[in-house]
Amino acid sequence: GQNIDQPTEMTATEGAIVQINCTYQTSGFNGLFWYQQHAGEAPTFLSYNVLDGLEEKGRFSSFLSRSKGYSYLLLKELQMKDSASYLCAVRAGGSYIPTFGRGTSLIVHP
Amino acid sequence: EPEVTQTPSHQVTQMGQEVILRCVPISNHLYFYWYRQILGQKVEFLVSFYNNEISEKSEIFDDQFSVERPDGSNFTLKIRSTKLEDSAMYFCASSEGRGQDEQFFGPGTRLTVL
Repeated sequence: GQNIDQPTEMTATEGAIVQINCTYQTSGFNGLFWYQQHAGEAPTFLSYNVLDGLEEKGRFSSFLSRSKGYSYLLLKELQMKDSASYLCAVRAGGSYIPTFGRGTSLIVHP
Repeated sequence: EPEVTQTPSHQVTQMGQEVILRCVPISNHLYFYWYRQILGQKVEFLVSFYNNEISEKSEIFDDQFSVERPDGSNFTLKIRSTKLEDSAMYFCASSEGRGQDEQFFGPGTRLTVL
């Protein structure tokens, strides 16, 4: 099986930068996804990393270190609408199906 | 922008009854998925479907569950003899491929078993 760890909750201020970490233990790593999920809604795709390094996409960036089993999602210029749960999901073991972590609930306050 | 649609948005059923949850994946997508999310818990994979057959399934997806693509557009999840613990949000998703292709999720069906 896979073990995926994320902080349960984080708070940040509007306009600030926040980094949400995800660590995983798995064999046969085959990609890591970040999804955003607003309360009562479906997850929406943010990023995909399979090689080490930083992927930047507008205000959001995602980093991966395969040797450390570690990823982070960086959100810049936080807006109130960024208050949501952020889900780290890992593919491994020859499967194309991502296993989701419990998610990090981000609260952005004025 | 194309999107995955699901019906109904909310289904209430009595324990022991059968329910069918419906999904219309994005039209040029080839891979279809069902996930569930019990309130306050993580998203859990149920089953994936490609080329008119199941390609992967989890241990949750036992004989109580079945999937079908009855025509060229719909993708259904049938839950037989529902139990209280089947109450959850059920998400359908689709993707064009299975590599780095993102999965697009539908808005979900909230199933409540009484």
